[in-house]
Amino acid sequence: DAGVTQSPTHLIKTRGQQVTLRCSPISGHKSVSWYQQVLGQGPQFIFQYYEKEERGRGNFPDRFSARQFPNYSSELNVNALLLGDSALYLCASSPRLAGVTGELFFGEGSRLTVL
Amino acid sequence: GQQLNQSPQSMFIQEGEDVSMNCTSSSIFNTWLWYKQEPGEGPVLLIALYKAGELTSNGRLTAQFGITRKDSFLNISASIPSDVGIYFCAGLNYGGSQGNLIFGKGTKLSVKP
Repeated sequence: DAGVTQSPTHLIKTRGQQVTLRCSPISGHKSVSWYQQVLGQGPQFIFQYYEKEERGRGNFPDRFSARQFPNYSSELNVNALLLGDSALYLCASSPRLAGVTGELFFGEGSRLTVL
Repeated sequence: GQQLNQSPQSMFIQEGEDVSMNCTSSSIFNTWLWYKQEPGEGPVLLIALYKAGELTSNGRLTAQFGITRKDSFLNISASIPSDVGIYFCAGLNYGGSQGNLIFGKGTKLSVKP
């Protein structure tokens, strides 16, 4: 079975630009979460969606937004990119609301570099 | 905000040695989890702990949920080269219908054959 798939795997943007990252969860999983992992740090929670509704938001500015589609795939958008947004963006899916068990299945991530 | 202190930051060990790492928090968590991340990959769940005092094993891995609910440790017995990676502890921050994981900064494990 396919795991969590993310695209693109790598991308380079310049300050001020906008980026859209995509995620397809494991088949049958209805919950998608987004995490930001800066080099040398652990992942930091950005958003969680369940059944197409936002169920949690981390301490990130409004430049960050996300949505979940009827097929449970998800997009993360970041506007007005800053150098500090350079990171690995991880998508994770779970069969239930992730907040119940904490058991997440992560994709390989999208490596964003902002110049 | 909530933070997890994970130690040691890195470990260099010989194949066959046992490994111990731990995680502490100033806040109580109701669930502790341990994930492993290898280069170019996302984290993979190793062990989940749901009850204070719980001791759980997964092959050569053993983890415990501290009695105070503010700490957890992970042991790896008889390490092998494929144990190389970064090990993250995570606490589940759960309230109502929402929940998210708080991750530590990780312990980087290197194993010398």
